[in-house]
Amino acid sequence: SAVISQKPSRDICQRGTSLTIQCQVDSQVTMMFWYRQQPGQSLTLIATANQGSEATYESGFVIDKFPISRPNLTFSTLTVSNLSPEDSSIYLCSVVGSGRVSEQYFGPGTRLTVT
Amino acid sequence: QKEVEQNSGPLSVPEGAIASLNCTYSDRVSQSFFWYRQYSGKSPELIMSIYSNGDKEDGRFTAQLNKASQYVSLLIRDSQPSDSATYLCAALRFGNEKLTFGTGTRLTIIP
Repeated sequence: SAVISQKPSRDICQRGTSLTIQCQVDSQVTMMFWYRQQPGQSLTLIATANQGSEATYESGFVIDKFPISRPNLTFSTLTVSNLSPEDSSIYLCSVVGSGRVSEQYFGPGTRLTVT
Repeated sequence: QKEVEQNSGPLSVPEGAIASLNCTYSDRVSQSFFWYRQYSGKSPELIMSIYSNGDKEDGRFTAQLNKASQYVSLLIRDSQPSDSATYLCAALRFGNEKLTFGTGTRLTIIP
């Protein structure tokens, strides 16, 4: 499976600021996703990061709040804007592996705390 | 009704016994199913995938799929304390790469 890294691994941010999270993959991947995992909860898909075009957002998530870039097939960023304490979560990127169809692998995650 | 449902647990199993984790799904179009293991503070790790009815074995893990009953399970044989984690069930629709996750079952293996 692909090796996925995320930066930063954790951050503490003040209300009203923004945080940009980077996801780097060691090989080219077609499909890349961003998820949120709120404390004690399961994973919720935020959006599909599309290479060279606008991301596809799930219901309840909007581009103004969660702008995503995907300049190439190995890299993506997720920005969480205008932070509020409710944004305190773990943010994870995932990729579909090049082997078995549809198997998704997750990066190590970014733990965001908003004060 | 949630698309993917799991008993949140906690499920406690003695070391060496079989741990049985269950998952049901509501969308009959779901074609592929996955079990992820998530240790506290870590990201989910894919441990099993299953696409066809029946059993699929990998080491101490066996995934079972029954599409008629819309039921997926994961059996862990010879449970070890290192198996203590939250196990997430996920479903994938045919032609759609988006995973839908259950809420997870917290498993504790008691030495």
